[in-house]
Amino acid sequence: RKEVEQDPGPFNVPEGATVAFNCTYSNSASQSFFWYRQDCRKEPKLLMSVYSSGNEDGRFTAQLNRASQYISLLIRDSKLSDSATYLCVVTVTGKLIFGQGTTLQVKP
Amino acid sequence: EAQVTQNPRYLITVTGKKLTVTCSQNMNHEYMSWYRQDPGLGLRQIYYSMNVEVTDKGDVPEGYKVSRKEKRNFPLILESPSPNQTSLYFCASTIDRTYEQYFGPGTRLTVT
Repeated sequence: RKEVEQDPGPFNVPEGATVAFNCTYSNSASQSFFWYRQDCRKEPKLLMSVYSSGNEDGRFTAQLNRASQYISLLIRDSKLSDSATYLCVVTVTGKLIFGQGTTLQVKP
Repeated sequence: EAQVTQNPRYLITVTGKKLTVTCSQNMNHEYMSWYRQDPGLGLRQIYYSMNVEVTDKGDVPEGYKVSRKEKRNFPLILESPSPNQTSLYFCASTIDRTYEQYFGPGTRLTVT
């Protein structure tokens, strides 16, 4: 079993749709959680950190469920520019572990 | 401008010919690392360094070497490249492993 698992997709959604991605992690000692965005094999860039209480940044909302060991990312009112691969990242004893990514395609 | 640079960006080479991919950051970060990205496997850490002269193996270190003689530079060395090292390589730096990682633009390596 992979340490961090994501549905690779692709998720094809129309503009304006709400889409949610989930990520599960296997190590209960995981400490920090992030979502990164990667465009077309370019370098990953931090989208947002994920806090236990949940956090929101504009159209993006991240949630963490430690009991069930999953993280979610919700994107509201999808834009064409949201098309990318979203990487779930977990740290365990300071080591970063990346999921394989979920690809989102937003269509006009 | 705060950035991580890598060179070369693209490289096609032959099996067994030693190569070095350079990585440099201008943010005075102590922690640097190298990743490779392959389809279906995500990013996997090759080596990391917590400070000058301190390096350690990541998940897939076989066939790679690194050095950290200066804080800003962290080159990746392939002594004898093989076709299974064909991949997209990223260097990254951060102030602390639990904080945001800043990635370089990537090096696409093909070994024939």
